[in-house]
Amino acid sequence: RKEVEQDPGPFNVPEGATVAFNCTYSNSASQSFFWYRQDCRKEPKLLMSVYSSGNEDGRFTAQLNRASQYISLLIRDSKLSDSATYLCVVNRPQAGTALIFGKGTTLSVSS
Amino acid sequence: NAGVTQTPKFQVLKTGQSMTLQCAQDMNHEYMSWYRQDPGMGLRLIHYSVGAGITDQGEVPNGYNVSRSTTEDFPLRLLSAAPSQTSVYFCASSYRLASSYEQYFGPGTRLTVT
Repeated sequence: RKEVEQDPGPFNVPEGATVAFNCTYSNSASQSFFWYRQDCRKEPKLLMSVYSSGNEDGRFTAQLNRASQYISLLIRDSKLSDSATYLCVVNRPQAGTALIFGKGTTLSVSS
Repeated sequence: NAGVTQTPKFQVLKTGQSMTLQCAQDMNHEYMSWYRQDPGMGLRLIHYSVGAGITDQGEVPNGYNVSRSTTEDFPLRLLSAAPSQTSVYFCASSYRLASSYEQYFGPGTRLTVT
């Protein structure tokens, strides 16, 4: 089983749509969970951390289910500027703050 | 505050050549890491450091060396370049706050080995 698995997409949605990304991770010792965003040929940037209670940042909502080792990201009211690759990320246990990345899910929002 | 800087931005090497990818951060972060990203793959950890003088191997360390003589700098050395090392290399740094921490990435070095 891969360490972090994501549906690669691409997800092609119209502006205003709601889209959900899912992710599973294999190492139950991971304690920190994130969604990063990566624009074409650029460095990844933190979109949001993911907490067990679920958390929201504007149009973005992240959920974590530790029992099933499942992470999700919901984007409401999609904008053209949301087009990017979304990376599901967990910490690598006993490796400082190093991370384990999924391959990413590509989102394309069209007008 | 420049954040994380990487040089060079682009590099072409011949098989067997050696070179050093530079990474520096001015945020006084203890933790630094090197990742590589290949098409269709997630970022993979090459080496990481939890402080000056302390380094360790990541997921794909073969063919690379690192050192951390200062908090600010974390260079990555390719000992004898191979075409399989053609990739985009990202350096990252972070501090740790409670149970969560954000990694700051440099802009990347795009390396081609012919």
